[in-house]
Amino acid sequence: GENVEQHPSTLSVQEGDSAVIKCTYSDSASNYFPWYKQELGKRPQLIIDIRSNVGEKKDQRIAVTLNKTAKHFSLHITETQPEDSAVYFCAASSNSGYALNFGKGTSLLVTP
Amino acid sequence: NAGVTQTPKFRILKIGQSMTLQCTQDMNHNYMYWYRQDPGMGLKLIYYSVGAGITDKGEVPNGYNVSRSTTEDFPLRLELAAPSQTSVYFCASSYGTNSNQPQQFGDGTRLSIL
Repeated sequence: GENVEQHPSTLSVQEGDSAVIKCTYSDSASNYFPWYKQELGKRPQLIIDIRSNVGEKKDQRIAVTLNKTAKHFSLHITETQPEDSAVYFCAASSNSGYALNFGKGTSLLVTP
Repeated sequence: NAGVTQTPKFRILKIGQSMTLQCTQDMNHNYMYWYRQDPGMGLKLIYYSVGAGITDKGEVPNGYNVSRSTTEDFPLRLELAAPSQTSVYFCASSYGTNSNQPQQFGDGTRLSIL
């Protein structure tokens, strides 16, 4: 499938700081970019998504930005809290039209 | 709505055994997916289905089979279990005409092959 690269693989921040996770994609036809949060032993859950006709989307402390020209998108978490600790996955719609291509995940640790 | 329900939650198999992982959804979603997640790795697509009677291979289909006889159910079959199939398996579903819709995941099946 098409590649989705995600960085960093691990991220440690102090409570109250901001966290940024970045993803790049290779398929110029990709037009849907969701972010999932997976707590230990749990299912991935959608936290925010963005479509290619929008450059930025916010939902309380979470925001996603998209740069179609550069083919990258980022997740921004402000005022981090210990309960934000989890693995975050980015994804991009694929040229097959039927599946998502996932990044390998970022393990975020928020320390009190 | 229960969402996406997977059974069993845990299973230990011996090498060479067979089993079926069950997945059902009650949201009338037309798209359904099976992923595997190895430790520290992302989600790899095994098979997907765009509707009843239609299935197709994903990135890692070898050693697995699927069927989709109804909109609600999408079972995954392992015919000859191998240690390399030890993983967490997630079923997901979405509604739409393409991949540009959110996928909702089940709780997963943790499978160990010994």
